[in-house]
Amino acid sequence: DGGITQSPKYLFRKEGQNVTLSCEQNLNHDAMYWYRQDPGQGLRLIYYSQIVNDFQKGDIAEGYSVSREKKESFPLTVTSAQKNPTAFYLCASSDLQLANYGYTFGSGTRLTVV
Amino acid sequence: QQQVKQSPQSLIVQKGGISIINCAYENTAFDYFPWYQQFPGKGPALLIAIRPDVSEKKEGRFTISFNKSAKQFSLHIMDSQPGDSATYFCAARVGGGYNKLIFGAGTRLAVHP
Repeated sequence: DGGITQSPKYLFRKEGQNVTLSCEQNLNHDAMYWYRQDPGQGLRLIYYSQIVNDFQKGDIAEGYSVSREKKESFPLTVTSAQKNPTAFYLCASSDLQLANYGYTFGSGTRLTVV
Repeated sequence: QQQVKQSPQSLIVQKGGISIINCAYENTAFDYFPWYQQFPGKGPALLIAIRPDVSEKKEGRFTISFNKSAKQFSLHIMDSQPGDSATYFCAARVGGGYNKLIFGAGTRLAVHP
């Protein structure tokens, strides 16, 4: 089955620690995205990428970093500079070759600072 | 300019009733307006979408109404069912090569039997 796999499902981070969230897709989609979801605030864009080795900052990129070394993979690192990282993180992809513009989302990673 | 404002924040509807969720935007360059449905602990899934040259789109019990002059669009769920209980997000696409979506804050819908 084609889709997006996010791992782990739950992640606990200690203060001052960097953690990396995994996102892998087998849909052959060009573009990938990371969103952060907080209650009552919808989905806010962290980073996005159109092609390998290219990525752009979204609205709330501070304290986060990404890489796009392979088309299938778009890992997100939450650094110690992110002051309030507890949230639900969603990865998505879209096929830029099609005009339907729809996103496919993963099942998310819930990150908690302990 | 890049915001999408969604209301209400929460909605309670009786089974069989009509659920209506509204969204408004300012940026006239938005060129695609999807709605996503999200169940607890899951990622959002595309429900229905519309382009600004169309005033209405219907898929089963779900209808998008689009008012380009007012810069508003809404989701109507007819004959609402308990299984429709979820969080709904409207979104708008920023034109250009990245296919970037701006999401509304979400509406938590509860359909009571």
